[in-house]
Amino acid sequence: GENVEQHPSTLSVQEGDSAVIKCTYSDSASNYFPWYKQELGKGPQLIIDIRSNVGEKKDQRIAVTLNKTAKHFSLHITETQPEDSAVYFCAAWGEYGNKLVFGAGTILRVKS
Amino acid sequence: SAVISQKPSRDICQRGTSLTIQCQVDSQVTMMFWYRQQPGQSLTLIATANQGSEATYESGFVIDKFPISRPNLTFSTLTVSNMSPEDSSIYLCSVEAGKNTEAFFGQGTRLTVV
Repeated sequence: GENVEQHPSTLSVQEGDSAVIKCTYSDSASNYFPWYKQELGKGPQLIIDIRSNVGEKKDQRIAVTLNKTAKHFSLHITETQPEDSAVYFCAAWGEYGNKLVFGAGTILRVKS
Repeated sequence: SAVISQKPSRDICQRGTSLTIQCQVDSQVTMMFWYRQQPGQSLTLIATANQGSEATYESGFVIDKFPISRPNLTFSTLTVSNMSPEDSSIYLCSVEAGKNTEAFFGQGTRLTVV
């Protein structure tokens, strides 16, 4: 079945700097890769996703890149702000598993 | 996007009792999922609940412990039975319009078993 690894587990950046979180997946048939942001006491919120037919997607300060050959995808947050502080999860939807598999999560702290 | 309401938002329960968590969606959805998130951990899928059929459970989760109902396309319940302190977690409901589409989550139910 699908296995998703996520790094780093914690990330501290200065306000205004960029943050990058990386994930690798094992199932070459996976074709949908969402990213979620979870704030304390709340459920995960979908912030961006990418499908296997594109290599990059941007939405304002957030971008996701996908390398299908290497089976890894990354979240890029530019011009970080204190409100970006949260736990971020990557996930992969396997073609045959019929479910989302989540990474372990990254605690992002943006210091002002 | 779908709006998902979960009840209760939190509860403290005695060991040996059961708690039923409700998940209501503002639109009809094909697939509903129940996840467990232990403190400081990632999300683990408990089961997939499709209307008109029995829930499909993941390895390590059984129907006797986590019975699920899915009476229609906008509602589902998860029961945590015969609770022990190890069941203390956040339980999350998730919905998707279909395979490989966006998944949305409720705000979660924070369960503490004492």
